[in-house]
Amino acid sequence: EAGVTQFPSHSVIEKGQTVTLRCDPISGHDNLYWYRRVMGKEIKFLLHFVKESKQDESGMPNNRFLAERTGGTYSTLKVQPAELEDSGVYFCASSQSTGAGNTIYFGEGSWLTVV
Amino acid sequence: AQSVTQLGSHVSVSEGALVLLRCNYSSSVPPYLFWYVQYPNQGLQLLLKYTSAATLVKGINGFEAEFKKSETSFHLTKPSAHMSDAAEYFCAVSFTGGGNKLTFGTGTQLKVEL
Repeated sequence: EAGVTQFPSHSVIEKGQTVTLRCDPISGHDNLYWYRRVMGKEIKFLLHFVKESKQDESGMPNNRFLAERTGGTYSTLKVQPAELEDSGVYFCASSQSTGAGNTIYFGEGSWLTVV
Repeated sequence: AQSVTQLGSHVSVSEGALVLLRCNYSSSVPPYLFWYVQYPNQGLQLLLKYTSAATLVKGINGFEAEFKKSETSFHLTKPSAHMSDAAEYFCAVSFTGGGNKLTFGTGTQLKVEL
């Protein structure tokens, strides 16, 4: 069974450009999450989808970030325009159930560098 | 608010020695606790989790952790370190009503020396 897959694995863009990260969750997982780790800091929650609906987007830093999950399958996270402080690793994760304590499976991350 | 503190951003042990990675949590409600590991150039992998069943939880690769409510701790241990254990380890917490959202500690980089 395929795990959570993310694309691209690495991306280097200039300040002001746009980047779109894609995540394919484990097949059958209705719950999809985005997390981010900025250099030297802890991994932080960005948002949570249940199917195509945003369940919790309390961690989204500002309106330069847009997450979508059309059709309830894969998700994209767009950063527009990118700023230097957006550099970091963006993790996507998925789980079968919503309840606390359920195992969340993570992808390998998309490393974003804004120069 | 829930939080997690990992003491020691870097821990170094000799191969064959005991591994002890510390994690303390703060939660006003019963927590669910997790340890994840990130090997170089890989994603986060679940080592083990505590979900209010047995307080001593066994995970993969010989790791285990004990939930101690009185100490608000969930330290990760392994009796004998192996070179392949070198990685970054993350403690995380979630709680009922929190929508399965994980709050992570800052991570501990484990180095294993010959």
